[in-house]
Amino acid sequence: RKEVEQDPGPFNVPEGATVAFNCTYSNSASQSFFWYRQDCRKEPKLLMSVYSSGNEDGRFTAQLNRASQYISLLIRDSKLSDSATYLCVVNGLYNFNKFYFGSGTKLNVKP
Amino acid sequence: GAGVSQTPSNKVTEKGKYVELRCDPISGHTALYWYRQSLGQGPEFLIYFQGTGAADDSGLPNDRFFAVRPEGSVSTLKIQRTERGDSAVYLCASSFGGPPYEQYFGPGTRLTVT
Repeated sequence: RKEVEQDPGPFNVPEGATVAFNCTYSNSASQSFFWYRQDCRKEPKLLMSVYSSGNEDGRFTAQLNRASQYISLLIRDSKLSDSATYLCVVNGLYNFNKFYFGSGTKLNVKP
Repeated sequence: GAGVSQTPSNKVTEKGKYVELRCDPISGHTALYWYRQSLGQGPEFLIYFQGTGAADDSGLPNDRFFAVRPEGSVSTLKIQRTERGDSAVYLCASSFGGPPYEQYFGPGTRLTVT
């Protein structure tokens, strides 16, 4: 079983739509969780860290559910520029500096 | 300020050759990571340095891969006797090494082994 699993998509949504992605992780002892955004042929860029209480940054909301071992990302009022691949990242069991990336969920926002 | 830089941006080499990939992290970041990313996949952990020492090299696929960070800043990933299966984008990231462990990536080196 992979440490981090994501629906690869693609999610095709119109501008202005609300879209949500989930990601499940296998290691219940993981402490750090992140969402990264990756544009085609570019490096991953940190979108937001995910905190236990949930956190919001503008149109983006991240939630952590430790009991069910999943994290979510909600994007409201989608923009064309949100089109990218969203990577879920979780740290490891014995080494908090070892990170596992999901394969990513592709989002296409259409006019 | 300056971000993570990696050189070269592209490297084409013949099977069996030796290659070196360089990473220059963000100034002040003590932790440095190497990842490998294949098409359609997320980055795959290779090795992590805290300062000069390799704190975790469990992701290196075999003994053809080696990485150093002699002065605790710039790092070099070395691949001996390259194989076609080594073709991928090699990404470097750096962080402050402690919570919240946020990593910042360089643009990557696209390695093609012919």
